[in-house]
Amino acid sequence: EAGVVQSPRYKIIEKKQPVAFWCNPISGHNTLYWYRQNLGQGPELLIRYENEEAVDDSQLPKDRFSAERLKGVDSTLKIQPAELGDSAVYLCASQSGSADTQYFGPGTRLTVL
Amino acid sequence: SQQGEEDPQALSIQEGENATMNCSYKTSINNLQWYRQNSGRGLVHLILIRSNEREKHSGRLRVTLDTSKKSSSLLITASRAADTASYFCATVETSGSRLTFGEGTQLTVNP
Repeated sequence: EAGVVQSPRYKIIEKKQPVAFWCNPISGHNTLYWYRQNLGQGPELLIRYENEEAVDDSQLPKDRFSAERLKGVDSTLKIQPAELGDSAVYLCASQSGSADTQYFGPGTRLTVL
Repeated sequence: SQQGEEDPQALSIQEGENATMNCSYKTSINNLQWYRQNSGRGLVHLILIRSNEREKHSGRLRVTLDTSKKSSSLLITASRAADTASYFCATVETSGSRLTFGEGTQLTVNP
């Protein structure tokens, strides 16, 4: 069974540029998460989807961040415009509805110059 | 915001020794989970312990939970070089379903 797939793995952009990250969860997992992980810290939740509905986006900086999960499968996280402080690893995770375990993708390492 | 605080921040041991990492948290929880993260990789779930459990084992892993002290420990016995990674505790509060991570312990196992 394929795990959570994320792309790109690395992205380097200049500040004020837009950037997008893509995630394909494990097949059949209806819950999808986006996390941000700063260097030396644990992941922090940005948004959680149940199918195509964003059920917890209270920690998503909505002035510059947006996310979508069309058809309740793949998801895209966008930052526009990016700031220097957005440099981090962006992790996607998925979860089967009845389980407690989250399965993480390898992440996208974003560097904003 | 981070829920857990992990201790120590970094731990270096020799292969074959045991490694113990501690996690403290602030709120009432439904369960506590431990994850491992190898450098440049995503997190891998290791073990989950529920609030009504005190100890759990999985292979070389032993987790304890003390809800009165709001703390947990992860013991890795007979460590191997391949255990070198960052280890994170994460909690799910009784009032919600969000998984909140600590800042992690960087474990280095020297061959």
